[in-house]
Amino acid sequence: GAGVSQSPSNKVTEKGKDVELRCDPISGHTALYWYRQSLGQGLEFLIYFQGNSAPDKSGLPSDRFSAERTGGSVSTLTIQRTQQEDSAVYLCASSLNRVDQPQHFGDGTRLSIL
Amino acid sequence: QKEVEQNSGPLSVPEGAIASLNCTYSDRGSQSFFWYRQYSGKSPELIMSIYSNGDKEDGRFTAQLNKASQYVSLLIRDSQPSDSATYLCAVNRGGGADGLTFGKGTHLIIQP
Repeated sequence: GAGVSQSPSNKVTEKGKDVELRCDPISGHTALYWYRQSLGQGLEFLIYFQGNSAPDKSGLPSDRFSAERTGGSVSTLTIQRTQQEDSAVYLCASSLNRVDQPQHFGDGTRLSIL
Repeated sequence: QKEVEQNSGPLSVPEGAIASLNCTYSDRGSQSFFWYRQYSGKSPELIMSIYSNGDKEDGRFTAQLNKASQYVSLLIRDSQPSDSATYLCAVNRGGGADGLTFGKGTHLIIQP
């Protein structure tokens, strides 16, 4: 079956622009996660959705970052007024219905801020 | 501060030998443990999950968990060149609203 789908696969934009990243989880998975992986760094957890609800948004790096999920499926991560330090690979994962279950990752969006 | 520590490597192992990858974690409340494999330029791929103390085997892979020592390991038997990758250890407390805490990974090289 289809895995986690992310779009775009690559995004190059100028500093100060807004970007929107999309994630379509595995069908039937109610839990969805966003992570960020910077060059040479480990994966950094950003936010988790159970259904359409994100119980804790404290992992988002700054108030320029926001995320939403609608219909219990597709999620978007929005970065406003992008900065060069936002350059990273943004990874989305989903799991069946609980945080302790295995998470399966999409191919990621490689974001480059010029 | 939840931390997951791994030796960054590179760990070089001859083809056909056993590769042993280790991971320690700081949060005693951690309940779920995962190993992911990540090839350069690719996303992490789930290899193993383990939840209870002891060993769990899946093909050439064995995960070992010791909660008292806060230690989890991955053994790869009959290592193949295609096993060359970065292996990420990830832990989760469970029951909360946070995601996985990842180590920075061990770079494994299987020498033909």
